[in-house]
Amino acid sequence: LAKTTQPISMDSYEGQEVNITCSHNNIATNDYITWYQQFPSQGPRFIIQGYKTKVTNEVASLFIPADRKSSTLSLPRVSLSDTAVYYCLVGPIYTGRRALTFGSGTRLQVQP
Amino acid sequence: NAGVTQTPKFQVLKTGQSMTLQCAQDMNHNSMYWYRQDPGMGLRLIYYSASEGTTDKGEVPNGYNVSRLNKREFSLRLESAAPSQTSVYFCASRAGGRTDTQYFGPGTRLTVL
Repeated sequence: LAKTTQPISMDSYEGQEVNITCSHNNIATNDYITWYQQFPSQGPRFIIQGYKTKVTNEVASLFIPADRKSSTLSLPRVSLSDTAVYYCLVGPIYTGRRALTFGSGTRLQVQP
Repeated sequence: NAGVTQTPKFQVLKTGQSMTLQCAQDMNHNSMYWYRQDPGMGLRLIYYSASEGTTDKGEVPNGYNVSRLNKREFSLRLESAAPSQTSVYFCASRAGGRTDTQYFGPGTRLTVL
């Protein structure tokens, strides 16, 4: 599985856009990029997944450059409730026996 | 539709005691997983089951056993608990197909004294 590197922590203020970048230099052709969010005392929750270019849903956007060696999770106009740990995962998705590998994630703190 | 449920929510054991953590999902998913999360750390995979009747070791399987009882249920057993197994345990199930979404349970907070 491709190794990922993301910042340990980030701070922001309510109403700002937050961009969290993940590096995955050895991403393979079959790998997808997936982001999860985890609130304290809860299990992780799927946010978004993509393969290339840009993906957007009601929660976030995911930007993936052409070389796919990095990706950026973008959270528009964050609120206090977006304070959480965000995990970037990279790997193939069609192999049923594969499990996800979670790193340490990025701890986002949103201030009022 | 309850999603992924885990019991118990909290448990305190003494060193050497045994216990089984229960997990059930009602989404008809084939794959199920057990993770542990130590304070301030990411999740580490203990065991997983790609389908009913199969189980495989993950990153940290030592000291644990699992049973995929049927498609819905996947249990994790600690035969002889150790303080190093103090952690929060999460069960998850996977949708498969064109998304890689894993759905997580609320977790079991285990303390081994």
